[in-house]
Amino acid sequence: TQLLEQSPQFLSIQEGENLTVYCNSSSVFSSLQWYRQEPGEGPVLLVTVVTGGEVKKLKRLTFQFGDARKDSSLHITAAQPGDTGLYLCAGPPNTGNQFYFGTGTSLTVIP
Amino acid sequence: GAGVSQSPSNKVTEKGKDVELRCDPISGHTALYWYRQSLGQGLEFLIYFQGNSAPDKSGLPSDRFSAERTGGSVSTLTIQRTQQEDSAVYLCASSLTSGGDKRYEQYFGPGTRLTVT
Repeated sequence: TQLLEQSPQFLSIQEGENLTVYCNSSSVFSSLQWYRQEPGEGPVLLVTVVTGGEVKKLKRLTFQFGDARKDSSLHITAAQPGDTGLYLCAGPPNTGNQFYFGTGTSLTVIP
Repeated sequence: GAGVSQSPSNKVTEKGKDVELRCDPISGHTALYWYRQSLGQGLEFLIYFQGNSAPDKSGLPSDRFSAERTGGSVSTLTIQRTQQEDSAVYLCASSLTSGGDKRYEQYFGPGTRLTVT
């Protein structure tokens, strides 16, 4: 059982479409991060959300942290082929010293 | 500045051999993590070093896996008597630990792709 479940696991869309990726847990997290990983490379940090209900925007990417700090979403507007990659949410639960990565969402944007 | 580097980038080894994977973290980062990633999958936590504290080894899958961090900088992950199921990409990450949530922002190396034949 994974502490952070992401959905969908795979997503293939046409260029210009919008999409949302979800990251859910039954545990409360003190913060959540989103990373993007391209083939052959390590994950790269996109954003950190800290406050329940927080919304952060990074160009065409919008990140939201749930009010209860148990879930997060990533919305991409007008997807481009350069958005292709594996998207990972991650964070430390409120209790304990562990750090967890989500199960991942593999996004393919078709030109 | 230089990012996290890992070597080798690729390693092919025969079943039963030992391998050593190296990680050079970002200068000044006191936390260092090792993860394992199978093809197209998420990251599996292996071990975490924080300064001079005892490492968190809770993610190591068996006693064939061990890691050291010398002088609070370079780290080596050693896999003894490799098995085919050890084939994966091994990723290293480092982070600042100045407190607050930035301590969880990890910077990753490119990984070492290990293939056990």
